[in-house]
Amino acid sequence: DQQVKQNSPSLSVQEGRISILNCDYTNSMFDYFLWYKKYPAEGPTFLISISSIKDKNEDGRFTVFLNKSAKHLSLHIVPSQPGDSAVYFCAASTNAGNMLTFGGGTRLMVKP
Amino acid sequence: GAVVSQHPSRVICKSGTSVKIECRSLDFQATTMFWYRQFPKQSLMLMATSNEGSKATYEQGVEKDKFLINHASLTLSTLTVTSAHPEDSSFYICSAMLTSGYEQYFGPGTRLTVT
Repeated sequence: DQQVKQNSPSLSVQEGRISILNCDYTNSMFDYFLWYKKYPAEGPTFLISISSIKDKNEDGRFTVFLNKSAKHLSLHIVPSQPGDSAVYFCAASTNAGNMLTFGGGTRLMVKP
Repeated sequence: GAVVSQHPSRVICKSGTSVKIECRSLDFQATTMFWYRQFPKQSLMLMATSNEGSKATYEQGVEKDKFLINHASLTLSTLTVTSAHPEDSSFYICSAMLTSGYEQYFGPGTRLTVT
C-alpha cells in the first residue's frame, strides 16, 4: 500500500518556465511534508517542507502548496533552470521523530 | 544545512565477506539516524531506524542479523552487511534527524558491489 504517490515518473520543462511536481498521499495522519532533490549516485538533498497547519511555504524559487482536503501537495519551481534537472521525491511524516514515507520520485528535465 | 557524511562512497567486496558503512553527522548531534537502500530507478526503501544507545528498529523484511546497525554515539551510526551476497549490491544511504524533529539530512550514499 503506497501511502505517498508521485504519479508522474518524469516531467520535461523548458528553461525559464514553471515546473510543477505533484504528490498525493492517503494517510490522513501525515502532518509534515518534505521535498527532496536527488542526483544519481548521491544522497537526497532537502529542499523545502511544509507543516499541515499551513497551505503554502515559499523559499526562493521553490514553493510548496498543500491541499489537505484533497491530500495533495505540489512543488513549484519558477523559473526552472537546467541545474534543477534531477529526481524529486516528496516525503511525509506522521509526527516529529518519526520515519519518512517517500513517494516514488519524479524525474525533472529542464531543457535549455 | 546540516552535513552528513558516509564512508566509504564505493566498495567492492567478495561474496561471503562483511562490509561496514559509516554514517556521521558532522555539525550536529543526531539521536536518530536512518538507513535506506535504493535499487536502480526506484525510491528509497527504509531499512531501519537507528537510535543512539539502543537497538535499531528494522522494517519488515529486513534481516537484522544480516544488516547489523550500531549507533554508539550521537554522531555515528554504522551499517555492517554480513556475509554479503551479490543481491546485496545496492546503493545504501543514511540520514540523520535534527533534534527539532522533522527534517532528515542525507549522506551522499555508498555504492556496494558484491562479486
